[in-house]
Amino acid sequence: GAVVSQHPSRVICKSGTSVKIECRSLDFQATTMFWYRQFPKQSLMLMATSNEGSKATYEQGVEKDKFLINHASLTLSTLTVTSAHPEDSSFYICSAREGEGHTGELFFGEGSRLTVL
Amino acid sequence: GEDVEQSLFLSVREGDSSVINCTYTDSSSTYLYWYKQEPGAGLQLLTYIFSNMDMKQDQRLTVLLNKKDKHLSLRIADTQTGDSAIYFCAGPLGYSTLTFGKGTMLLVSP
Repeated sequence: GAVVSQHPSRVICKSGTSVKIECRSLDFQATTMFWYRQFPKQSLMLMATSNEGSKATYEQGVEKDKFLINHASLTLSTLTVTSAHPEDSSFYICSAREGEGHTGELFFGEGSRLTVL
Repeated sequence: GEDVEQSLFLSVREGDSSVINCTYTDSSSTYLYWYKQEPGAGLQLLTYIFSNMDMKQDQRLTVLLNKKDKHLSLRIADTQTGDSAIYFCAGPLGYSTLTFGKGTMLLVSP
């Protein structure tokens, strides 16, 4: 079946540095990918919708200059956490759907745990 | 938009049945989903149900939908220790993504 892969699965960085997380759809093309953030013992919070070839759509309260999203191809979206601080430490999960709208399964990556020291 | 609520914790013994409950707000939701998240991992779709169905069974999983009460439940028969995880119910959000409940942590003891 379709698979969504994230890399890296874990990353530790120093405060003030930037970190890039990749999300790939391995055997299907995804014009739209989604980035979520999950705090400990919390649900997933949608951060932004990544659109291939155009700007991402950010949810209210999510800083677009802080969380840069690039969807350069139909199989790759990247999330860059710029000038990371300890409060950015979290579990980031991407997802992608093969079909349009709510057809087809929404596949999730394995997640990337970011720890900012 | 959809808003989903679920109980946060459930503990059962191995071999018992587990029932995880969820309530939702948007009566126009066409699909409702159950996802499973194991520690440190992403989400895995377990099953989904169309709004025109009352029940769906898939091996050990049974989903019940009460549209009048906007209540969704997931029953796991013969629960195993490997079923220990967090279970999220989810409903449609916007054009193509989902909104999730806070998750129910299922702990299965031997």
